Amino acid sequence: SQTIHQWPATLVQPVGSPLSLECTVEGTSNPNLYWYRQAAGRGLQLLFYSVGIGQISSEVPQNLSASRPQDRQFILSSKKLLLSDSGFYLCAWSVGTGGYGYTFGSGTRLTVV
Amino acid sequence: SQQGEEDPQALSIQEGENATMNCSYKTSINNLQWYRQNSGRGLVHLILIRSNEREKHSGRLRVTLDTSKKSSSLLITASRAADTASYFCATDAPAGANNLFFGTGTRLTVIP
Repeated sequence: SQTIHQWPATLVQPVGSPLSLECTVEGTSNPNLYWYRQAAGRGLQLLFYSVGIGQISSEVPQNLSASRPQDRQFILSSKKLLLSDSGFYLCAWSVGTGGYGYTFGSGTRLTVV
Repeated sequence: SQQGEEDPQALSIQEGENATMNCSYKTSINNLQWYRQNSGRGLVHLILIRSNEREKHSGRLRVTLDTSKKSSSLLITASRAADTASYFCATDAPAGANNLFFGTGTRLTVIP
C-alpha cells in the first residue's frame, strides 16, 4: 500500500539558519508531489509541486526552494530562515492531475526563533 | 484567486445533530474535494465529487455540488465527538490544474 513519510514532526530553528525538510513516498511510482504551508488557523498555501524528477514548479515567490532528486523524494529547503517562514508544512502526493485525492504526510511544525 | 471559501468559519453542535458546511469557489472546475484535518495533523481525503455530479454519499457524509452557483456543501449526519476537526474544500481550478486550491476551512466542534 502507499504511504508517505514526512520528517521531522517539529523543528525549532534560529533566524538565518538553513532548513531541510524531507518527504518520501512508498508504494507508487511517478507520483505528483506537493509542498503546502499552513499558517495557524488558516487554509493551505501551495508552495511547490513536482510532476517528475527534477521538475519543480513554484507557486509563490519566497525564501524557500524545493528539489526532487529521486522519483519518490521531495525536499523543501532554505539557505537562511526568516521569522515569517514559521508554519505547518505539509507534503502530499497524488496520482495524475486534479482528478484524484491527495494523500498528506503528518506535517512538520516549524518555528523560527 | 480560485481559493475556495468555507462557511461558516466555525460550527459547534451537539452530538447526534447534523453538521452542514458550505464552500464557494470562483471559476470552473473538474472536481471538488473535501478534506478533514485533526488539530496539528495532516489532511485526510474524505470525498471527491466531479463537476458532472450533483450529489455523492460516503457513510455519514453527503456532498452536493451546484456548478451554476459555484458552491458545494458537506453534510455530516448523526455527528459524533470524534468528528471534531477542521474541514476543507479544495478545487482543481482552473480546470485540470496540476494542483489543488484549498479554502480556509470550517472548524467543527461536536459536543458530547
